Amino acid sequence: AQKVTQTQTSISVMEKTTVTMDCVYETQDSSYFLFWYKQTASGEIVFLIRQDSYKKENATVGHYSLNFQKPKSSIGLIITATQIEDSAVYFCAMREIMNYNQGKLIFGQGTKLSIKP
Amino acid sequence: EAAVTQSPRSKVAVTGGKVTLSCHQTNNHDYMYWYRQDTGHGLRLIHYSYVADSTEKGDIPDGYKASRPSQENFSLILELASLSQTAVYFCASSDGGHQAPLFGEGTRLSVL
Repeated sequence: AQKVTQTQTSISVMEKTTVTMDCVYETQDSSYFLFWYKQTASGEIVFLIRQDSYKKENATVGHYSLNFQKPKSSIGLIITATQIEDSAVYFCAMREIMNYNQGKLIFGQGTKLSIKP
Repeated sequence: EAAVTQSPRSKVAVTGGKVTLSCHQTNNHDYMYWYRQDTGHGLRLIHYSYVADSTEKGDIPDGYKASRPSQENFSLILELASLSQTAVYFCASSDGGHQAPLFGEGTRLSVL
């Protein structure tokens, strides 16, 4: 069965520092996509970055990057040079590709990030 | 521009009443999803669909029905609304490939 777990309920860091948010997942599928989303204070859910399970290279988009450790079923989100506007709730999600549940998109519980000036 | 539109944006319903939440996408996506979010919690999958006239149960389907009459439209139906169904509901659409699903703005449902 699919499962996505984010154990960090909330994190608070100083502005301009680097923060890492953890996410572990469970799947029996050999191929899957992993996504990170941001939910702003207004409730809007915005896609940030994706990792394909069959790619060894960690994805990077702007000041977001991923730490993909497939043997540990782990996909951490790293935000460098944090800004006040990065304060939000961050969700990790997984979608399997190969099995009969393909297309089913499952989310973790979310991590609330607060950036202090 | 790709878009997922939900209606209504907010609704107050009475216990035992019928509620229909609608979702429309202009992305030509095959997959559509309905999630609920409770205050301070993550997104839990209720129903999803990968083709018109067919729906699949998600992780928390009890008390909800879904309808996909066309590729563009996906509805969530609460036949007998209950207090426990007070939440924010999100619709999303996806091409089923590597493209990340796009979300609507959410519908805030209060059942009184």
